[in-house]
Amino acid sequence: DSGVTQTPKHLITATGQRVTLRCSPRSGDLSVYWYQQSLDQGLQFLIQYYNGEERAKGNILERFSAQQFPDLHSELNLSSLELGDSALYFCASSVSGGASTDTQYFGPGTRLTVL
Amino acid sequence: AQKITQTQPGMFVQEKEAVTLDCTYDTSDQSYGLFWYKQPSSGEMIFLIYQGSYDEQNATEGRYSLNFQKARKSANLVISASQLGDSAMYFCAMREEYAGGTSYGKLTFGQGTILTVHP
Repeated sequence: DSGVTQTPKHLITATGQRVTLRCSPRSGDLSVYWYQQSLDQGLQFLIQYYNGEERAKGNILERFSAQQFPDLHSELNLSSLELGDSALYFCASSVSGGASTDTQYFGPGTRLTVL
Repeated sequence: AQKITQTQPGMFVQEKEAVTLDCTYDTSDQSYGLFWYKQPSSGEMIFLIYQGSYDEQNATEGRYSLNFQKARKSANLVISASQLGDSAMYFCAMREEYAGGTSYGKLTFGQGTILTVHP
């Protein structure tokens, strides 16, 4: 158990819908990262928050947004869902904002299926 | 260009034998970190081992060691005394410290290697 929690574990929804994925980082970690894992794209970085502020952005679609709350939990919002958004979404957390020594610990993931 | 290359889509090893999973990387940064993660069939991502670009010694964590050859830009994972529970997908990843504003902090992953341990 990494100490990072993600809910829900599974999510099945229809095209055009909107969903929210939730993540609680390990105790003491200030950074939260979101990654998407799909068969065709592999593991892709979406976005990073550090202590409530957006820190880095990857190839995140405009239909996707995220935020980190004062208690440091984070939510990833996916809207106008398409079939291609079906993937495993991981949240990870780390102590600091970006030192190369900073290990990221991953949550169990949320498997999103868009029908 | 691929930043992390794992050239072995699949590897097989006999139980109790050692196995090496290959990883090469590409970066112009001086400061970076290299990580290996294990993803069992259940899906979670488990951190295994870390190597810093300035570390002179190869990292070791129990049965895992990292064969770091900086000049060749390779960071191979060695698993000694393989166990059936080692069967999983293994990912090599890199974090660049001064990669620019939009990539700062992210991990870049390779495509992974599926390891199968035979009894």
